[in-house]
Amino acid sequence: DGGITQSPKYLFRKEGQNVTLSCEQNLNHDAMYWYRQDPGQGLRLIYYSQIVNDFQKGDIAEGYSVSREKKESFPLTVTSAQKNPTAFYLCASRRLAGDRDTQYFGPGTRLTVL
Amino acid sequence: AQSVAQPEDQVNVAEGNPLTVKCTYSVSGNPYLFWYVQYPNRGLQFLLKYITGDNLVKGSYGFEAEFNKSQTSFHLKKPSALVSDSALYFCAVRPMDMGRRALTFGSGTRLQVQP
Repeated sequence: DGGITQSPKYLFRKEGQNVTLSCEQNLNHDAMYWYRQDPGQGLRLIYYSQIVNDFQKGDIAEGYSVSREKKESFPLTVTSAQKNPTAFYLCASRRLAGDRDTQYFGPGTRLTVL
Repeated sequence: AQSVAQPEDQVNVAEGNPLTVKCTYSVSGNPYLFWYVQYPNRGLQFLLKYITGDNLVKGSYGFEAEFNKSQTSFHLKKPSALVSDSALYFCAVRPMDMGRRALTFGSGTRLQVQP
């Protein structure tokens, strides 16, 4: 988990609220990713970004939004349009040179809808 | 589209015995293959990867994995299991020709090592 921080560790959301999950890395990695983890389903890609001010939708982007204003930061907003947001959210990052293929993960944020 | 299958939801093994966690993949072209481990309420930790070269890959904590192209498999192994190895294990694949370089994960296998 070293080098990638996610906050908060636990987050509770009421119906109709938007919430933002933080992801910060000090590894000087170029690419960053957001995954959602549900029991028995593995990880699914929400959004990814390979450079600042650019990001791409993953496989399950509906109801989510991101920004990438700084290399170190890639916050994820879970909007009220996301119908089933209760899940464990994982942020990851990766170099674009050298060891380009290994992704390193943060400790995760568990989001629960009340 | 690429996919990864982990056919066992759970694997039980006695401490000191060898363990195997199975993974098969489907991808066009040559794959990059990974194993990660997840402890409760934690992020994923990288264990090992196969890119090219020797089919037997050694990784962290005494784990190794064998790439078998003809069987499209990448099984995780350890000669002697420890109780502390009990965790959730994920296999992942990335095709060489995908621009986004995102990983596709299997559904995970829970390893339970009994003392």
